[in-house]
Amino acid sequence: DQQVKQNSPSLSVQEGRISILNCDYTNSMFDYFLWYKKYPAEGPTFLISISSIKDKNEDGRFTVFLNKSAKHLSLHIVPSQPGDSAVYFCAASAYNAGNMLTFGGGTRLMVKP
Amino acid sequence: NAGVTQTPKFQVLKTGQSMTLQCAQDMNHNSMYWYRQDPGMGLRLIYYSASEGTTDKGEVPNGYNVSRLNKREFSLRLESAAPSQTSVYFCASSEGPLYGYTFGSGTRLTVV
Repeated sequence: DQQVKQNSPSLSVQEGRISILNCDYTNSMFDYFLWYKKYPAEGPTFLISISSIKDKNEDGRFTVFLNKSAKHLSLHIVPSQPGDSAVYFCAASAYNAGNMLTFGGGTRLMVKP
Repeated sequence: NAGVTQTPKFQVLKTGQSMTLQCAQDMNHNSMYWYRQDPGMGLRLIYYSASEGTTDKGEVPNGYNVSRLNKREFSLRLESAAPSQTSVYFCASSEGPLYGYTFGSGTRLTVV
């Protein structure tokens, strides 16, 4: 049973608009959440993270929101750019589980010019 | 500034053959990891090494073995490859997840 789920396999957005990528988790022990971005033929690269003591973290065009009661997090990209087209993975870790990362299945974002 | 280096980048094996995937990092990280990526499944942890001299099983360890040769190198071995092991394999290193993982560029393995 997947503990971290990304229910949308793909998302298409117009350049300049907002992209919202969603992620749900089931393990209430997760206390740290991360988003990774992956281009074809490359390894994932770290994008942004959030601790469970916060509900929002912002870095430039990227903002991650965490709703602990709903066990839901989202990544907002504003404004979206064609170079943002990639696969985005959310990941979660639990301090009492050795801080291993558990990944979601990924969402492919396509930003159209 | 190499980061995490994986070799080879591509490999085709016949069922039953063995091979070792190599991984090296130059960031002096204590922890290293092996993941596999399959369509719709995200990245699943095969084995990890929290520090030099220690290794532990992850979510999908069956059919694999690992060696933490020293602080820099962490290898993944397939003793008898099976078609179910066709996947893209990623090695990563970290000082801890609060700092994120640094991933290699992956090894695309096909078992026929």
